[in-house]
Amino acid sequence: GENVEQHPSTLSVQEGDSAVIKCTYSDSASNYFPWYKQELGKRPQLIIDIRSNVGEKKDQRIAVTLNKTAKHFSLHITETQPEDSAVYFCAADQINRDDKIIFGKGTRLHILP
Amino acid sequence: SAVISQKPSRDICQRGTSLTIQCQVDSQVTMMFWYRQQPGQSLTLIATANQGSEATYESGFVIDKFPISRPNLTFSTLTVSNMSPEDSSIYLCSAQPNNYGYTFGSGTRLTVV
Repeated sequence: GENVEQHPSTLSVQEGDSAVIKCTYSDSASNYFPWYKQELGKRPQLIIDIRSNVGEKKDQRIAVTLNKTAKHFSLHITETQPEDSAVYFCAADQINRDDKIIFGKGTRLHILP
Repeated sequence: SAVISQKPSRDICQRGTSLTIQCQVDSQVTMMFWYRQQPGQSLTLIATANQGSEATYESGFVIDKFPISRPNLTFSTLTVSNMSPEDSSIYLCSAQPNNYGYTFGSGTRLTVV
């Protein structure tokens, strides 16, 4: 079955700097890779996703890159702000297949003032 | 995006009792998922609930402890039975209304005393 590894588990970044979180997956059939942000005491929220037919996707200050050959994908946050402090989860899934999504263990991002 | 209403948002229960958590989706979905999340941890899938069939449980979770109902395509319940302090956690339901982009309920914070 699919296995998703996420690094680092904790990341501290100076406000205004960039943050990068990396994930690897094992199942080459996975073709959908969402990223979730979970603020303290709240539900995970989808912030960006990418399908396997695309190498990069950007939405304002966040971007995701995907390397299918190496089976890894990354979340990039630029010009970090205090409200970016949260736990971020990557995940891997197969669209149009009735199977469960697999989450990484999460990265706790701290934005330092 | 879809909206999932989950209740109760929190409860404090006596050991040995049971609690039923409800999730309502504002659109029809094939599968609904139930997760447990310990503080500071990732999401652990308990079971997948399809309408009209028995739920599929992950390793370490059994139907007698976590019975699930799925009476229609917009609703599901999870019962935590014969509770002990080890069951104290956050329980989240999730669904995939558009065949991608999972949405989560607001979570139920359970404390067993």
